[in-house]
Amino acid sequence: QQQVKQSPQSLIVQKGGISIINCAYENTAFDYFPWYQQFPGKGPALLIAIRPDVSEKKEGRFTISFNKSAKQFSLHIMDSQPGDSATYFCAASYGGTSYGKLTFGQGTILTVHP
Amino acid sequence: NAGVTQTPKFQVLKTGQSMTLQCAQDMNHNSMYWYRQDPGMGLRLIYYSASEGTTDKGEVPNGYNVSRLNKREFSLRLESAAPSQTSVYFCASSVVGSTNEKLFFGSGTQLSVL
Repeated sequence: QQQVKQSPQSLIVQKGGISIINCAYENTAFDYFPWYQQFPGKGPALLIAIRPDVSEKKEGRFTISFNKSAKQFSLHIMDSQPGDSATYFCAASYGGTSYGKLTFGQGTILTVHP
Repeated sequence: NAGVTQTPKFQVLKTGQSMTLQCAQDMNHNSMYWYRQDPGMGLRLIYYSASEGTTDKGEVPNGYNVSRLNKREFSLRLESAAPSQTSVYFCASSVVGSTNEKLFFGSGTQLSVL
């Protein structure tokens, strides 16, 4: 039962290009949508997060776009750099006991070529 | 300030053996989590603890037990390991109640069950 579906599985982008990763969710109770970045041999680290009351959130080169009616959200990485090469996970959760009880997508391996 | 520390980093078990994965955090966080990461499946929540003395099942709790020994430590026990439990295990902690609840992950334990 995969409640958060992520695509693509892998992505290759040239330096300076735009990386776009998409996620779709099923559970309409979800109201917190973070993105995590993971480098090899490390644990995931929070990159950026959004709540459904806004359609877009930007932090530096990273932007989340959110479409509540379509139950979709995406991560855009502008001016992609080789240092952005990592695995990216979208996730979702809802209030109650903890927003940390996340349902993760399958992950996207991003490779940025110099 | 070490953050979230997991031990061991690597472990090989035979089917039927038992072991305990240790996790400790020094950030005075209330909530702690155990996730497992499998290729193509993202991370899945095994168990969660909102505070010392409380634990709750996540998405995939079968075959595991946990102990929240105190506010700092949260251990995961495999009583009788099975090959299906071959995975990378991540412990995480967070502060309850923050607007953007941020999980801090350890570096993981890579477990192989033969």
